Amino acid sequence: DSGVTQTPKHLITATGQRVTLRCSPRSGDLSVYWYQQSLDQGLQFLIQYYNGEERAKGNILERFSAQQFPDLHSELNLSSLELGDSALYFCASSASQGGPDEQFFGPGTRLTVL
Amino acid sequence: GQNIDQPTEMTATEGAIVQINCTYQTSGFNGLFWYQQHAGEAPTFLSYNVLDGLEEKGRFSSFLSRSKGYSYLLLKELQMKDSASYLCAEGVRAYIKAAGNKLTFGGGTRVLVKP
Repeated sequence: DSGVTQTPKHLITATGQRVTLRCSPRSGDLSVYWYQQSLDQGLQFLIQYYNGEERAKGNILERFSAQQFPDLHSELNLSSLELGDSALYFCASSASQGGPDEQFFGPGTRLTVL
Repeated sequence: GQNIDQPTEMTATEGAIVQINCTYQTSGFNGLFWYQQHAGEAPTFLSYNVLDGLEEKGRFSSFLSRSKGYSYLLLKELQMKDSASYLCAEGVRAYIKAAGNKLTFGGGTRVLVKP
């Protein structure tokens, strides 16, 4: 158990819909990262938040957005869903206090768009 | 740009040694990470190299050569439970100091351990 929690575990929805994925980082970690993993794309970095502020952006679509709240939990919002958005979405957290700053991954949310 | 290359798949026998190579090319390098991922599960951190040389952690060792943009993960005394994907990831420091690394992952190397 990494200490990072994600809800829900599974999500099945239809094209055009909007969903929200939630992540709670490890206690004391200031950075939260979101990744998308699909079969043909591998693990892709989407976005990073540090202490409530956006810090780095990857290949995140405009239909996707995220935020980190004062209690440091984070939400990833996916809208106008398409079949190709079906994937595993991982959240990770790190202390961001220097050093290796390894990221600890949550169990993921498996999103299926029908 | 950033490009991480590692082999797609490797097969080895229980008790043997396997070496997974990884090459990268980027700027703003802040460490090379290795993660293990079993199918359908979260990646788990294995090792980190930021300076050249070998880091040993039990049965797993990782090596880095920054001048060559090259790393490898060495798995010794392979066990059946080592069958998994191994992800090489390059860390690039976010633009504000001490604000974490943006990780770029390779496609992963699927290792199959046979009895």
